[in-house]
Amino acid sequence: EVQLVQSGAELKKPGESLKISCNGSGYTFPYFWIAWVRQVPGKGLEWMGMIYPGDSGTTYSPSFQGQVTISVDKSINTAYLQWRSLKASDTAMYYCARHLKSDAAHDYWGQGTLVTVSS
Amino acid sequence: DIQMTQSPSSLSASVGERVTITCRASQGISNYLAWYQQRPGKAPKLLIYEASTLQSGVPSRFGGRRSGTDFTLTISSLQPEDVATYYCQKYDSAPLTFGGGTKVEI
Repeated sequence: EVQLVQSGAELKKPGESLKISCNGSGYTFPYFWIAWVRQVPGKGLEWMGMIYPGDSGTTYSPSFQGQVTISVDKSINTAYLQWRSLKASDTAMYYCARHLKSDAAHDYWGQGTLVTVSS
Repeated sequence: DIQMTQSPSSLSASVGERVTITCRASQGISNYLAWYQQRPGKAPKLLIYEASTLQSGVPSRFGGRRSGTDFTLTISSLQPEDVATYYCQKYDSAPLTFGGGTKVEI
């Protein structure tokens, strides 16, 4: 069974750093892209970027370029989304999702990680 | 970047009624269009890809069509479990932009 399991909810202060994770199982992890999607409470879905675990190649949405870092450790089937300095506006639910090709739909999604940034 | 405009932003319909949601791309994206369903408090779920191909396990009352740069998601007979927000997404090239969403209520 294909599963994407994300790390738990986080409560952080502005200026702090954070790295959340997405662990894939039930399929050949290096062969599928992993994307990250943001959802601000009460708002729609925003595509942030994607990574190919096979070669760690990444593509970011212009809206998120320079704001976050997407990385992967294929030895443990895990992708990451990282912030160096969080802002209150980063408060959101973050989903990871896999896709077979860079131009393919997201067929499996993680359960989401809620990140709350508040002083 | 290509923009995806979804309409309406919300709708209310009765059980058994036919529901249609529209998504318009600002440029051509061929058939690289997916539809997702997001029930309250849950992660999105893929319904349709390549504009009209039903994902495995999705009920046949869901259907998708393309006409140029206009795409439609149709629910032929609305059921209580279809209460959700529906999103289109283009995936021809990055960024893989989502539409603004359509909230469906009964």
